[in-house]
Amino acid sequence: GAVVSQHPSWVICKSGTSVKIECRSLDFQATTMFWYRQFPKQSLMLMATSNEGSKATYEQGVEKDKFLINHASLTLSTLTVTSAHPEDSSFYICSAKFGFTGELFFGEGSRLTVL
Amino acid sequence: GENVEQHPSTLSVQEGDSAVIKCTYSDSASNYFPWYKQELGKRPQLIIDIRSNVGEKKDQRIAVTLNKTAKHFSLHITETQPEDSAVYFCAASIWETSYDKVIFGPGTSLSVIP
Repeated sequence: GAVVSQHPSWVICKSGTSVKIECRSLDFQATTMFWYRQFPKQSLMLMATSNEGSKATYEQGVEKDKFLINHASLTLSTLTVTSAHPEDSSFYICSAKFGFTGELFFGEGSRLTVL
Repeated sequence: GENVEQHPSTLSVQEGDSAVIKCTYSDSASNYFPWYKQELGKRPQLIIDIRSNVGEKKDQRIAVTLNKTAKHFSLHITETQPEDSAVYFCAASIWETSYDKVIFGPGTSLSVIP
């Protein structure tokens, strides 16, 4: 199957700093990538849809100024958590939709801990 | 927008028994329904999917049924094994459109007791 790589897999940062997470589709082009947030023992909550070459579409309740998404190329989307606070600590996971089949392929996820 | 519900939230079965997880969706335009398995600390992996032009699909011990009229779909795992223990998510989407988002249900934690 297709491969989606996410980096870093875990990051610890101080409150007030910004953290960037990268999501790459390694063997296919993804015009659309999705960013999810997952709390322990909970479902995947869609945060935003990242569209190559255009602005991301954010879900209701997700602060676009807090979670900056950039989809600069057909294989790379980035999520920047700005001025991170402890409540932003979570597991962030990206995915890319394989256009042919509609199947979602997920990255490994990034565990963010804000001290 | 789409809303996906899933039951039960936890399920415990004896090894060899069957497990059934049920989901409902709200958007009648949805026509692609994947099921994902997520083991602890790992990324979700697609285990089976179904499109609205079929009512049932089977892959070895796993089967999925879809009732478009009632807007519900189910996952059936037969002859369960301990390695089937994981969290299972159902989801709904429109597959022709790359941009369409995939909405997940809340998940079912399945435990298979040896």
